Amino acid sequence: QLQLQESGPGLVKPSETLSLTCTVSGGSISSSSYYWGWIRQPPGKGLEWIGSIYYSGSTYYNPSLKSRVTISVDTSKNQFSLKLSSVTAADTAVYYCARHTVVFDWPHWGQGTLVTVSS
Amino acid sequence: QSVLTQPPSVSAAPGQKVTISCSGSSSNIGNNYVSWYQQLPGTAPKLLIYENNKRPSGIPDRFSGSKSGTSATLGITGLQTGDEADYYCGTWDSSLSADVVFGGGTKLTVL
Repeated sequence: QLQLQESGPGLVKPSETLSLTCTVSGGSISSSSYYWGWIRQPPGKGLEWIGSIYYSGSTYYNPSLKSRVTISVDTSKNQFSLKLSSVTAADTAVYYCARHTVVFDWPHWGQGTLVTVSS
Repeated sequence: QSVLTQPPSVSAAPGQKVTISCSGSSSNIGNNYVSWYQQLPGTAPKLLIYENNKRPSGIPDRFSGSKSGTSATLGITGLQTGDEADYYCGTWDSSLSADVVFGGGTKLTVL
């Protein structure tokens, strides 16, 4: 049973960098059939894709966030990570890590972690 | 403003049928697969439909998906109170922006 678990600070100060890690268990992050991504959901709002990564390190980012986002993968630890720089209150959201197929179906999600941007 | 347009809310009585629409364009729905997600309060989204009309293992056949042109539809029959949730459509947008896009979500109320 594949499981994904987000971890990282729940509170980040404005202008600082948000850092989250997703640990994958019950399966290999090096699976050739899947990609790994981050999606966020501001309180009371809809879903927004942040970006995705393949185990080889190839990345795809939301154009509106691209200048602030870095996603990386550590196959030795079966983890992938998100860094979002220069955060503002608008970046306050539940952040989900998830696995998706090449046609962008998302069958596996972490439980999500709330990150609040506040001083 | 979401790239994919969904009605903000729909409602129906238990046992009835409801449909939720998702409207896009040729750069997204028109040329890519659509998936649908159910999000119960306080939980992560759950895949209901993938590749327009396929159901993952464990999803009852009360849930169905279809696509025509630049629109997609989620159907739910035999409504249950446990179906009250937010529903999202999603796809890839292959325009210059090259982006994963979701609808704004539809709140289903089972009266």
